[in-house]
Amino acid sequence: AQSVTQLGSHVSVSEGALVLLRCNYSSSVPPYLFWYVQYPNQGLQLLLKYTTGATLVKGINGFEAEFKKSETSFHLTKPSAHMSDAAEYFCAVSESYYGNNRLAFGKGNQVVVIP
Amino acid sequence: KAGVTQTPRYLIKTRGQQVTLSCSPISGHRSVSWYQQTPGQGLQFLFEYFSETQRNKGNFPGRFSGRQFSNSRSEMNVSTLELGDSALYLCASRLGLNTYEQYFGPGTRLTVT
Repeated sequence: AQSVTQLGSHVSVSEGALVLLRCNYSSSVPPYLFWYVQYPNQGLQLLLKYTTGATLVKGINGFEAEFKKSETSFHLTKPSAHMSDAAEYFCAVSESYYGNNRLAFGKGNQVVVIP
Repeated sequence: KAGVTQTPRYLIKTRGQQVTLSCSPISGHRSVSWYQQTPGQGLQFLFEYFSETQRNKGNFPGRFSGRQFSNSRSEMNVSTLELGDSALYLCASRLGLNTYEQYFGPGTRLTVT
C-alpha cells in the first residue's frame, strides 16, 4: 500500500524567504503525486500534480515540485513566501489499479509566515 | 463551472443517531470519493463511487456507507454515531476512471455529542 511522510508538522518561514516542504512516498508501482493546500474552514485545493512526463511541475500561486524517483521524493518549493501562503499543505500519492484511485495523504505541514 | 458542493456544511448530532451527508460533484464528473479528516488520524479514504457502483473502500466499519445516484450526486451515511466520528467529511470528484486529479468540496463538519 502506498504511504506518504511529511516531516515537521509546523513550518515557520519569513515573508520573502524560500518555502520548502518535504514529501517522501512509498509506492509499489509508479506513483501519481499531488500537493494540496487547505485554508481554515475550507476543503482541499489542488496546487499541482505529477502523473507522467516532466519531473519538475509548476502549480498555482508560484509553487513547484520536483519528482525524484531515486529519492522517492516530491518536495514542494516556492522562492518567496507571501503572507497569503499561510495554510496547511498536504502531499498525497495514489496508485491507480483498474481505475481505482484512492489518495493516501501525509500528516500535513502547517505553514506560518512571519512578517 | 461550479465546484464540488457539500451539504450541510455543519452538523451536530447525538451519539447513537445516524446522519446523511450529501455531495454534488463538478458537472460532468462521474466519480465521487469520500474522505474523513480528524486531528489524530489525518485524512483517510472512505470509499469511491463511479456510475452508481462502489469501486473502492477504505478501512472503516460497516456503519459507514454510501451511494451514488444516476446524476453522479452522492450521499454517505453514518449509523449509530460515536464520539470518534466527529470529523470533517470531504467529498472529491474526478472526471472519470482514467483521470487522476481529484477536486474537493468544502466539507461537512460533523460534531457528535
